[in-house]
Order: sequence, then C-alpha cells, then structure tokens
Amino acid sequence: GNSVTQMEGPVTLSEEAFLTINCTYTATGYPSLFWYVQYPGEGLQLLLKATKADDKGSNKGFEATYRKETTSFHLEKGSVQVSDSAVYFCALSMNRDDKIIFGKGTRLHILP
Amino acid sequence: ETGVTQSPTHLIKTRGQQVTLRCSSQSGHNTVSWYQQALGQGPQFIFQYYREEENGRGNFPPRFSGLQFPNYSSELNVNALELDDSALYLCASSQVKGQFSYEQYFGPGTRLTVT
Repeated sequence: GNSVTQMEGPVTLSEEAFLTINCTYTATGYPSLFWYVQYPGEGLQLLLKATKADDKGSNKGFEATYRKETTSFHLEKGSVQVSDSAVYFCALSMNRDDKIIFGKGTRLHILP
Repeated sequence: ETGVTQSPTHLIKTRGQQVTLRCSSQSGHNTVSWYQQALGQGPQFIFQYYREEENGRGNFPPRFSGLQFPNYSSELNVNALELDDSALYLCASSQVKGQFSYEQYFGPGTRLTVT
C-alpha cells in the first residue's frame, strides 16, 4: 500500500543552521505530497505542498522538491530559528482520494 | 472566516465506555475527515464524510462510527473504549466540488485518555 517514511528524530540544531529532514514515499500512481507542522499543543498546519513531479513547494523559508525518480520530498531550510521547533510530518494523498497518509513525524529542536 | 473547531479539548473515559467527539467545519467546507494520532505517531485516517454519508474509511473497527449533519459539522463516536484508543483525535474539513478536492484544514484536536 501507499506509505511515507521520514527520518526519525529528534533533530537538534543550533539557530541559523541548515536543516534537512528526509522523506521518501511509496505510492501506486502519482500522489500529491505535503509537509505539515505541529507546534506544541496545537493541531496540524499545512506547511507546503507539491502536486506533480519537479514541483517545488515553499513557505516561511522552507522548501521541498517532488522528486519522482527518487520518490523523495525532503524538507530544507537554509537558516532555522528557535520558533521552528515543532514536529514535522511528511504526507501524501492520491488524486481523487482525500485520505492523507502521514509519516511518523520528526521532532525538531532549535537551540538559541 | 471561522476555522475548524473541535470539542471537547480533553476527555477522560473508562475502558468499555462510549465517547462522542464533535467537529465544526470551516465555513464553506462540505467534507469532514477524522484522524487518530497516537502519542509519538503520525495521524491515521479513520473515515471521511461528504454530503452526510461516509466516503472512505481507514483500517478502524466498526465501533468507530460517525455522522455528518446538514450544516456539515460532524461527530465521531467510539463504543466499547479500549486503552489503545487513547490518542489525539483530529478533524479536518475541506471543500469538494465535482472532481476537485481542496486543501484539508485541521482543527486543534481532542485529547482522549482511556483509563
């Protein structure tokens, strides 16, 4: 079945460091890909998305590129801030199917 | 524009009891999906409601059931609660028009603890 695998956390970085959180997917067909963020005590917020191969999603300095050849959608940010501390979920959904399949999440700690 | 709201925020129940969780969808949205997020895990799809009917279901037993009302709000009911049902329950609403479905917006969740 369709699934998402992302790097396990926690990931601890210093402020202004470069961030990469790896995500790979398995899907029959061509999914849409997402990164969601969950701040402490809050629900999920959509961070960015890409709906077809080679699309780049970006928001708040975060970027991810839909790579069909490597079935990957790695999240990157050039300079993280303490306020980026949260849990990040990679996810996919198939067209015409609203069910979202999530990875297990990666907890990110940014130290001042 | 009002976002997705859920009630209650927290709930403690005893094994074997029944629970009802509620979700009000975002204005203009006609579809509601429910997810279970166990501690340290990603959310798992329970089911989705569209036009008051179940429109897709994940790998959850029949004791998980739901309703959608004419105003598109929704309830999640869980019967015969088990300890493993302890989780954060998330509701998400979206707009479906014909063949197109749009972004799902999540509520803050209801934290259910079963003792």
